[in-house]
Amino acid sequence: AQSVTQLGSHVSVSEGALVLLRCNYSSSVPPYLFWYVQYPNQGLQLLLKYTTGATLVKGINGFEAEFKKSETSFHLTKPSAHMSDAAEYFCAVTYMGPGNKLTFGGGTRVLVKP
Amino acid sequence: EAGVAQSPRYKIIEKRQSVAFWCNPISGHATLYWYQQILGQGPKLLIQFQNNGVVDDSQLPKDRFSAERLKGVDSTLKIQPAKLEDSAVYLCASSFSGEETQYFGPGTRLLVL
Repeated sequence: AQSVTQLGSHVSVSEGALVLLRCNYSSSVPPYLFWYVQYPNQGLQLLLKYTTGATLVKGINGFEAEFKKSETSFHLTKPSAHMSDAAEYFCAVTYMGPGNKLTFGGGTRVLVKP
Repeated sequence: EAGVAQSPRYKIIEKRQSVAFWCNPISGHATLYWYQQILGQGPKLLIQFQNNGVVDDSQLPKDRFSAERLKGVDSTLKIQPAKLEDSAVYLCASSFSGEETQYFGPGTRLLVL
């Protein structure tokens, strides 16, 4: 079984400050990890993903995440927050193989203060 | 390239009524998923199709929920009868067969009164 824990349901950052969203996963097999963003009244948009290879992955809108197997973590960061980053962010895990079910964390809502 | 299409975007019904949602996946995507997203929570998989066959429906409340993908392209999710706790956003996603990345539609927001 696989699971995802996102620490902090709400995060408030100042414009220009570092954005750090925490994600820890549990998986009995090598995971594939994702970050999705959801803007109000919209579906989920893929920010970035880790499957194999380089553990530091870069995504859209200046976000990046690092896969740390020893810590079972996949934290999302952005050096400088922008007002447009205000949204809800979801970490998710799946694995290679048939019927690859995607399991989501509970989400972290980001508020950006001017 | 057109994304995943869903309709309607919003629906308000009374409890015990029935409702249906429609999804058209990205062209060529053999795998289609329906998720339920309750306010304040992450999406939860309800059912997964591979072409017109069901891969996983373990989380689908089969006493009231049903889904079909008869021709292996678009899909319909139905709730009959609806309960108050069914109020949620219903998201459809699709992917190429064996591909790990899923692409999501805008969702249908359901309110059951």
